[in-house]
Amino acid sequence: DTEVTQTPKHLVMGMTNKKSLKCEQHMGHRAMYWYKQKAKKPPELMFVYSYEKLSINESVPSRFSPECPNSSLLNLHLHALQPEDSALYLCASSQEGGARNQPQHFGDGTRLSIL
Amino acid sequence: GQQVMQIPQYQHVQEGEDFTTYCNSSTTLSNIQWYKQRPGGHPVFLIQLVKSGEVKKQKRLTFQFGEAKKNSSLHITATQTTDVGTYFCAGLRGNFNKFYFGSGTKLNVKP
Repeated sequence: DTEVTQTPKHLVMGMTNKKSLKCEQHMGHRAMYWYKQKAKKPPELMFVYSYEKLSINESVPSRFSPECPNSSLLNLHLHALQPEDSALYLCASSQEGGARNQPQHFGDGTRLSIL
Repeated sequence: GQQVMQIPQYQHVQEGEDFTTYCNSSTTLSNIQWYKQRPGGHPVFLIQLVKSGEVKKQKRLTFQFGEAKKNSSLHITATQTTDVGTYFCAGLRGNFNKFYFGSGTKLNVKP
């Protein structure tokens, strides 16, 4: 069982669609992360939110738009994605405003397929 | 940019044999974390190492952080089939909130 909940678990969308990935945690964590993981590869950091503010954007294309409505929720809005964006998208959270000395708790991920 | 390399990429062992994966960074790390990801699963936190030369043990797992804080290792004694998965190290540099994941070592244990 994971304490970080991601929805949906699977998503298939066309390149012209707009969709959103959702992540929720109720552990009181103040740092939340989006990672992208391709098959047989390590997770790649995309965005970091600290106290609901975007603190890190790893040069992610603008077709990915993160949003943190409150300290428990993290969204990733998708628009005009490319086939190479197909991957497992993982959300994670950690205590305090930074990952230093704090383990990251990962959700099960959303497996995204772009047609 | 920072690179965190991990070797080997794959390791196949017979149940009961030992296993070691090594993590090497091009720069000094503030701390390092280890994660395990089962097939079809998500990364699960195992341990964090902060101090130079630190050694921590969890049952059959032994984790070590190098003196220069640029490398780390995970050793599993007497592997079991439940140890199957990919082991990632993740290094943190400075005060930034981002971990650089190593390339991972996929462990397969034959019964």
